[in-house]
Amino acid sequence: AQTVTQSQPEMSVQEAETVTLSCTYDTSESNYYLFWYKQPPSRQMILVIRQEAYKQQNATENRFSVNFQKAAKSFSLKISDSQLGDTAMYFCAFRPFGQFYFGTGTSLTVIP
Amino acid sequence: NAGVTQTPKFQVLKTGQSMTLQCAQDMNHNSMYWYRQDPGMGLRLIYYSASEGTTDKGEVPNGYNVSRLNKREFSLRLESAAPSQTSVYFCASDKWGIGHYGYTFGSGTRLTVV
Repeated sequence: AQTVTQSQPEMSVQEAETVTLSCTYDTSESNYYLFWYKQPPSRQMILVIRQEAYKQQNATENRFSVNFQKAAKSFSLKISDSQLGDTAMYFCAFRPFGQFYFGTGTSLTVIP
Repeated sequence: NAGVTQTPKFQVLKTGQSMTLQCAQDMNHNSMYWYRQDPGMGLRLIYYSASEGTTDKGEVPNGYNVSRLNKREFSLRLESAAPSQTSVYFCASDKWGIGHYGYTFGSGTRLTVV
């Protein structure tokens, strides 16, 4: 079975600080893809960053970066220099083949 | 370029009523999906269509039907709505249904069944 676990239902961070959101997954597949999606209050799902499991280098997109530990099946998201616009629900997603599997989400609040 | 368009954005139904959620994409994507989002449960797959002419059940298909009308359109039908179907529904699409391409999502439909 493919499962994705986000163990932090809610988090908060001061503006300009750094925060890390955790995600673990369980799979027997060796090739897969991992994603983080952001869902602001507008409800729109926005792709933040993606990682290919066969790549050892961690993906980076501006202030967003991941710490991918394949052996530990861990895929955390680091947000640097947090901004008020980062306030949103964040979903970790895993794609071994075909459909995505989503975690239950982490609600992040950036405090001014 | 509109991406994925879902209609309606909000809907209130009475128990037992039927309705169809519409989804259309203009990106020439092959695969389309319907998810429901519930608090504390993330997004769960209802049905998907890997390519035009095919549909398959996802994790939570009971109480729903789908139609892949053509390559652009994928509708979700509730034949007899139940309060347990109160949720936010998302349609999504992607080019090939595999690989590193992320989904493109619609803006969602908030459905309340009373």
